[in-house]
Amino acid sequence: DIQMTQSPSSLSASVGDRVTITCRASQSISTYLNWYQQKPGKAPKLLIYAASNLQSGVPSRFSGSGSGTDFTLTISSLQPEDFATYYCQQSYGTPWTFGQGTKVEIK
Amino acid sequence: EVQLVESGGGLVQPGGSLRLSCAASGFTFSSSWMSWVRQAPGKGLEWVANIKLDGSEKYYVGSVKGRFTISRDNAKNSLFLEMNSLRVEDTAVYYCAKEAREWLSMSDWGQGTLVTVSS
Repeated sequence: DIQMTQSPSSLSASVGDRVTITCRASQSISTYLNWYQQKPGKAPKLLIYAASNLQSGVPSRFSGSGSGTDFTLTISSLQPEDFATYYCQQSYGTPWTFGQGTKVEIK
Repeated sequence: EVQLVESGGGLVQPGGSLRLSCAASGFTFSSSWMSWVRQAPGKGLEWVANIKLDGSEKYYVGSVKGRFTISRDNAKNSLFLEMNSLRVEDTAVYYCAKEAREWLSMSDWGQGTLVTVSS
């Protein structure tokens, strides 16, 4: 199975900060990488698909990049509604696997 | 608007069985691959299984192979997860998700149903 490792596991940031989350795959996955946001008690929400494509309706402050084994999710200016947990997920091969999550908290 | 509504969760003893359902609306169900994803209390997300448009292909995570069966009824716009030989570690919220197959992502999710395996 392909292992996905996110860093950091958690971070504290202020409104307006630029935030970067990284995700590393245990083998090359091309650009078969998606990012999800999850708020407490809610279902996950797709933010970025195929590494760098913004899902419809997602604010443009979210962006994704990377290919192969290393990927990043960037929030250019953190907003109050962005405090949540973020997961990367590979769809290069089954079983699809997620990173362990990055919790973004208010500083 | 895509709507996915899971049901069938509850409390079951170890070794027991449960059948989850997911009612879909707002899109052409028969044209969409579908997935189940679970989340143990306080833990991360784990993809469980998915199924092709006509049910001819099914894939599972190793920990549920031979115990869980994913299926669908396109005439009733419904997705199912039959869970047998349940273990304490299967305790989780189970989400159904619609795949955006062209991008191999999960674009829409239900609200989830809680399965608790405990004696």
